[in-house]
This record gives sequence, C-alpha cells and structure tokens, in this order.
Amino acid sequence: GQNIDQPTEMTATEGAIVQINCTYQTSGFNGLFWYQQHAGEAPTFLSYNVLDGLEEKGRFSSFLSRSKGYSYLLLKELQMKDSASYLCAVRFYGGATNKLIFGTGTLLAVQP
Amino acid sequence: EAGVVQSPRYKIIEKKQPVAFWCNPISGHNTLYWYRQNLGQGPELLIRYENEEAVDDSQLPKDRFSAERLKGVDSTLKIQPAELGDSAVYLCASAGQGASNEQFFGPGTRLTVL
Repeated sequence: GQNIDQPTEMTATEGAIVQINCTYQTSGFNGLFWYQQHAGEAPTFLSYNVLDGLEEKGRFSSFLSRSKGYSYLLLKELQMKDSASYLCAVRFYGGATNKLIFGTGTLLAVQP
Repeated sequence: EAGVVQSPRYKIIEKKQPVAFWCNPISGHNTLYWYRQNLGQGPELLIRYENEEAVDDSQLPKDRFSAERLKGVDSTLKIQPAELGDSAVYLCASAGQGASNEQFFGPGTRLTVL
C-alpha cells in the first residue's frame, strides 16, 4: 500500500509555532508536497521536497527524511488565517505515470 | 494569468440522473487531473491526462464515469447514472513541465445527489 498518515486535527495559538507531521511508505517515493486547503476552497501549493532536509519559505518550512519516510510542515508566527486543512501528498513512481497520493489532511485551528 | 476554471461550482441532482463537469486547465499545461474529494478526506485521483491521452484511469469507476479531453485542452467528466454515494467535490488540476510538476487546482464542483 501507499498509506499517507497525518494527524486528523491540531489546535494552536496565534503567534505560536506548530509542526504537522506526515509519514508514508518509502517504496517508490518520488517527491512530497504540502498543500493548504481552506474550507470550501481548492488546495493551494505550499512546498515540495524531494531531497532530505529543510525547505524554508517565509513563515512556512517543510522537512523531509527519505530514509524514515517522514516529513513535517512547520508554521511559524501563526495567524488566524492559517486555520485550514493541511494536506500531505506523496508522489510515487508508477510505471509510465507518477501517482500522487494525498493524506486525509490535518485540520488546524488557530485560536486567539 | 487565469487559473484552472471549473463549472458549474455547485450541482444538485436526483439519483439516477446524469451530470457533467467541465474543466479548462492553465494555458500550456499538458497534464490534467480529475480528483474526487469527500468531506474530511484528501483528494483521490480519478483520471490523469497527458495531452489528450488518458494515462491513468485505474481509479475511475468505468461503469458509470467517463471522461474526455478531445483536443488536449479542456476536459469533461460525466457520471451516468449518479448514485447517492457520488456526492462529493470534484476537483480538476493541471500541471506543466518541470521537476516538481506542481499541480494547480480549480475551485471544484460540489455535487449533491438526492
């Protein structure tokens, strides 16, 4: 299988830092994406990791460890508008096509 | 630059009726995807096109679902007949060339089957 596991829900306080974890099965791994999805809206791209290490983009950072099948999304200086679902998606080699498998998403609630 | 366009945004039908969704990808994007997203779940791939060719339709329920992308640009997804369990958001995404192949999603069509 190609299960993507991430927590269902998280709560954090405005101004704080939150880390959202994602684990996946390593066989056939070919890249990992994080998307943000506000309620009733389409997912929007946040980050892409294919090599080990940390990718920083403003208040958002994403980390990948390919050997451990593990990634996290780090959100700093949380704002109320960061309340959304965060989707971890892994691309697997699939013969002639690359399959992108999404996790169920982590619903983040930012409280004042 | 315009993003991925989908229509309609909302659709309510009775079971056993047909329904169709339309998607226009970002200009120049050869790869087009149709996903289904149930409430509280991540998107699940239904079909992927490279230009006009369906390269992965393994998850498309072919007894009732069909899709086409005749000229390699816009695409339609059809359900006939619809069932109660088809109620979901149907997302279209497109991607261009490049190592990341980042997918850009449209706003989706929220289908309710009564």
